[in-house]
Amino acid sequence: DQQVKQNSPSLSVQEGRISILNCDYTNSMFDYFLWYKKYPAEGPTFLISISSIKDKNEDGRFTVFLNKSAKHLSLHIVPSQPGDSAVYFCAAPSSGGSTLGRLYFGRGTQLTVWP
Amino acid sequence: ETGVTQTPRHLVMGMTNKKSLKCEQHLGHNAMYWYKQSAKKPLELMFVYNFKEQTENNSVPSRFSPECPNSSHLFLHLHTLQPEDSALYLCASSQDTAGLYGYTFGSGTRLTVV
Repeated sequence: DQQVKQNSPSLSVQEGRISILNCDYTNSMFDYFLWYKKYPAEGPTFLISISSIKDKNEDGRFTVFLNKSAKHLSLHIVPSQPGDSAVYFCAAPSSGGSTLGRLYFGRGTQLTVWP
Repeated sequence: ETGVTQTPRHLVMGMTNKKSLKCEQHLGHNAMYWYKQSAKKPLELMFVYNFKEQTENNSVPSRFSPECPNSSHLFLHLHTLQPEDSALYLCASSQDTAGLYGYTFGSGTRLTVV
């Protein structure tokens, strides 16, 4: 079962504009969320994270927003640059039990930033 | 350099071959993982090792056999694979299995089974 969902497989944005990538989750026990970025033929790399005690975390051009009541988070990239073109994965770690240590990933969203 | 090194980067093997994928990390992490990424599918967790002990086998067929001789090295032994096993195999490590600090991934091995 997909506990972390990214319903948009792709997003196309013009350079300089804002990119908004969305992620929904079903497990209310999740208390920490991460975004990963993946280029072709490479492994995912950590981008930004947010704890459930916050509703916003900002790092340069990247901001993650968390809406716990809606079980929704989003990654904003502004301004978008062609080098941001990659697949973005939303992820959440299991909070305990037999699956402690598992990082649940969404299916990813392919972002394309065009000039 | 991500700190997690996977070899080989690319591998083509026949269905009757035996091969091994290697993963190495020198980050001082305690946990290591094998993930599979097939086209148009989410990342699939295969195995979890914590302090060299396998703590999770996510219903992976026996034609995939992991080995973790120490906390810095992880292998995935492959034998009698099927064409549908062709995928990108990713190794990752983390400081702890709670995953709170995220994973560091290797660049992956692109496996093609012919």
